Amino acid sequence: KQEVTQIPAALSVPEGENLVLNCSFTDSAIYNLQWFRQDPGKGLTSLLLIQSSQREQTSGRLNASLDKSSGRSTLYIAASQPGDSATYLCAVFHNQGGKLIFGQGTELSVKP
Amino acid sequence: KAGVTQTPRYLIKTRGQQVTLSCSPISGHRSVSWYQQTPGQGLQFLFEYFSETQRNKGNFPGRFSGRQFSNSRSEMNVSTLELGDSALYLCASSLRVGTREETQYFGPGTRLLVL
Repeated sequence: KQEVTQIPAALSVPEGENLVLNCSFTDSAIYNLQWFRQDPGKGLTSLLLIQSSQREQTSGRLNASLDKSSGRSTLYIAASQPGDSATYLCAVFHNQGGKLIFGQGTELSVKP
Repeated sequence: KAGVTQTPRYLIKTRGQQVTLSCSPISGHRSVSWYQQTPGQGLQFLFEYFSETQRNKGNFPGRFSGRQFSNSRSEMNVSTLELGDSALYLCASSLRVGTREETQYFGPGTRLLVL
């Protein structure tokens, strides 16, 4: 059974810091992995999608890596800003059952 | 292009009632998935529809059902509501689920409160 874990559950950093969010999954049989952002009470915003054959994806200040063999992904945020404060969720698209399996999220707070 | 829309955004019901939630996917997207989000369980998959057919289903009781129309719009229905059904219900659309490249785009959700 695929399980996704995100560490840490919460993170507070001062503005300007570079930071890394971690995601691990137990079954390497995935199609892709997505990182999402969720603001309080809102829906999910897709940040990055990494296909199973890829190692990383970049968008602006965000860089996501994927190591399928070890079941790990990281989301790197450069030069963090208060507007980055949100919950970050990673999800793997499992190739059996056609669904996203989510981690519990990392709640990020960036202090001015 | 308009994003995924969900109606209503907020809903208050009492135990035993039933509710219908609606989701309009991004134009051209044929796959619609539904997820339930609660503080305790996080995000859990309910079901996925493609071309009016349910292709995948999560581990939810039969009180949860859905359908998809020919224009790809989808509805989900919850009958005999229980307090534990209080949650944020999210809908996601993609061109086609089950491929390596499909990004899932989520709507703003419907917040359901069962009293």
